[in-house]
Amino acid sequence: AQSVTQLDSQVPVFEEAPVELRCNYSSFVSVYLFWYVQYPNQGLQLLLKYTSAATLVKGINGFEAEFNKSQTSFHLRKPSVHISDTAEYFCAVGVFIFGQGTELSVKP
Amino acid sequence: GAVVSQHPSWVICKSGTSVKIECRSLDFQATTMFWYRQFPKQSLMLMATSNEGSKATYEQGVEKDKFLINHASLTLSTLTVTSAHPEDSSFYICSAQGAWEETQYFGPGTRLLVL
Repeated sequence: AQSVTQLDSQVPVFEEAPVELRCNYSSFVSVYLFWYVQYPNQGLQLLLKYTSAATLVKGINGFEAEFNKSQTSFHLRKPSVHISDTAEYFCAVGVFIFGQGTELSVKP
Repeated sequence: GAVVSQHPSWVICKSGTSVKIECRSLDFQATTMFWYRQFPKQSLMLMATSNEGSKATYEQGVEKDKFLINHASLTLSTLTVTSAHPEDSSFYICSAQGAWEETQYFGPGTRLLVL
């Protein structure tokens, strides 16, 4: 069965620093990988998705993710974070298999 | 972009009452809608998948008689929590997916508190 693991439950980082949120998947039956962001008391917003067109995927808010088949990873990156990026981030494979979430906390 | 709304955004009710949550796709036709439950600081748990005009498919461990799902049109699905109890308190999120679409669009969620 497919599964997704987000390796870090919390990632604190200072404003304007780069950040990487890690995501590994167990098997790749589905061709779709997603990253979502969730702000407090809100639903999920799609950041980006991988659909096998290109291994480097650019999303909204300056985020990007790279699909790495050999390492079974789909890590999310941003070169310079803002306070407003503070939120919960979820990696997902297919329609409804979600990781446990990573809380990104950006400090001034 | 695709917009999904949920109503109400939050609800407080007494134990034993039923609560209905609506999920609407505002600018596209949703052939499939999903209902999730999210506990604090946890991931989303899929409760059920519903296709327009047919019965919902429930995930293992989800009581279909307690969580009634109706998907009567291509823009509306409802989740009714029947005889709610405090343990049903949670954040309920719906999402909608169009035909031949791999992306699901999420509603803003409904926070339910059962006293």
